[in-house]
Amino acid sequence: AQSVTQLDSHVSVSEGTPVLLRCNYSSSYSPSLFWYVQHPNKGLQLLLKYTSAATLVKGINGFEAEFKKSETSFHLTKPSAHMSDAAEYFCVVSNTGFQKLVFGTGTRLLVSP
Amino acid sequence: KAGVTQTPRYLIKTRGQQVTLSCSPISGHRSVSWYQQTPGQGLQFLFEYFSETQRNKGNFPGRFSGRQFSNSRSEMNVSTLELGDSALYLCASSLEGQAFFGQGTRLTVV
Repeated sequence: AQSVTQLDSHVSVSEGTPVLLRCNYSSSYSPSLFWYVQHPNKGLQLLLKYTSAATLVKGINGFEAEFKKSETSFHLTKPSAHMSDAAEYFCVVSNTGFQKLVFGTGTRLLVSP
Repeated sequence: KAGVTQTPRYLIKTRGQQVTLSCSPISGHRSVSWYQQTPGQGLQFLFEYFSETQRNKGNFPGRFSGRQFSNSRSEMNVSTLELGDSALYLCASSLEGQAFFGQGTRLTVV
C-alpha cells in the first residue's frame, strides 16, 4: 500500500519569505512523487515530479522539492512567496506512473502582503 | 492544444436519480482517470481507462461505473444518487509521464 502524509493543513507566510510545505510518503516500491496545486475553482496543475532521476527536482513558478529516501520525505520549497502562490497544494504518490494517483489531504498556503 | 474538457461544469440532482459525467481528454492521450474530491475524504481515485479497458479501480461501490470510447472520451455514471455523492469529480488524461486535469464537474445531490 502507498500513502502520503502532509504534515500541515495550513501554512501562512508573508510575501517575499520562503515557503516550506512538508510531505512524508509510504510506499512498498520505488515511488513516483508529485506536487500538484489547485487554485480556487480551477483544476489541478502539476508543479513538479520525481521519478527516480535527480533527487532535487525543479518545477514551475520557482518551486522545487527534494526526495530524501532515508527520511521518506518530499518537501516542497520556494525561496520567495508571491501573492499568486496562495492555493491548495497536494503531495501525490504513485507506484503505477500516472494510472492511479494517491493524494495527500492537502496544505492550504496563505500569503499575506 | 486544447486541455481536458469536462461537461457539464455544474449539476444538481435529486437523491435516487442517476447522473452521467463526460470527459474529453487531450488529443492523443489514451489514458483517462477519474477522481472524487470532497471536503471530508479529499481526493480519491475512482477508476482508470486505457484504450477502452478499465485498468484500475478504486474502492467505490458498484453504483459508480465508467466507460471509455474508441476516441478516448470517457464517461462516468453514478446510479441511485446519495447525498454523500455530492463532490467535485475530476478527470485526468495522461501520456508518458504527465497527467493533466480538467476543471471538474461539481455535483450537488439534494
